[in-house]
Amino acid sequence: DAGITQSPRYKITETGRQVTLMCHQTWSHSYMFWYRQDLGHGLRLIYYSAAADITDKGEVPDGYVVSRSKTENFPLTLESATRSQTSVYFCASMSSGSTDTQYFGPGTRLTVL
Amino acid sequence: SQQGEEDPQALSIQEGENATMNCSYKTSINNLQWYRQNSGRGLVHLILIRSNEREKHSGRLRVTLDTSKKSSSLLITASRAADTASYFCATGVPASGSRLTFGEGTQLTVNP
Repeated sequence: DAGITQSPRYKITETGRQVTLMCHQTWSHSYMFWYRQDLGHGLRLIYYSAAADITDKGEVPDGYVVSRSKTENFPLTLESATRSQTSVYFCASMSSGSTDTQYFGPGTRLTVL
Repeated sequence: SQQGEEDPQALSIQEGENATMNCSYKTSINNLQWYRQNSGRGLVHLILIRSNEREKHSGRLRVTLDTSKKSSSLLITASRAADTASYFCATGVPASGSRLTFGEGTQLTVNP
């Protein structure tokens, strides 16, 4: 399917476990982003990527790892999940043109017990 | 701290009325964008206004930008129940590349 997808949509895990959230886009957009949205708040940038093999930290990167071996995929890994990482995670993509518009996936609701 | 702050935090109106939401920011910007988020869904881009623009229209949406006051407003005219959602402003700043900074959002409820 065309667009940007995230998996899983819902995930429950325990403290200390490793969790990987997947993001896939079919537009061949250069830029991809990971945000977290805590209940009742706006989005905070975790990591972003300007192209394959190029990633950089955002506002709240601690406890997260990303990789981008292919343009279309941008997985986010929580190395050792903590309760404070309970949140909704959104992936977004953007072309390298001048539109500056980000396109968002449907989100992954992660609960860490 | 958040670059953008929306006001009010929540707004409840009747169908057919206009809704106005405001966004203030702290530093110089390249552009300011508004996004909508329906409950349980991802964000959807509504409109972008660049720093050298003062007003833009898109359908029932009107956005203004006052760089001297570091503020923007989003007006939704003739609101509909389907406009019920959270609205976020996001700013792109010089030297931040492709990154956007989002505000906390305004929750709009349009009552039928």
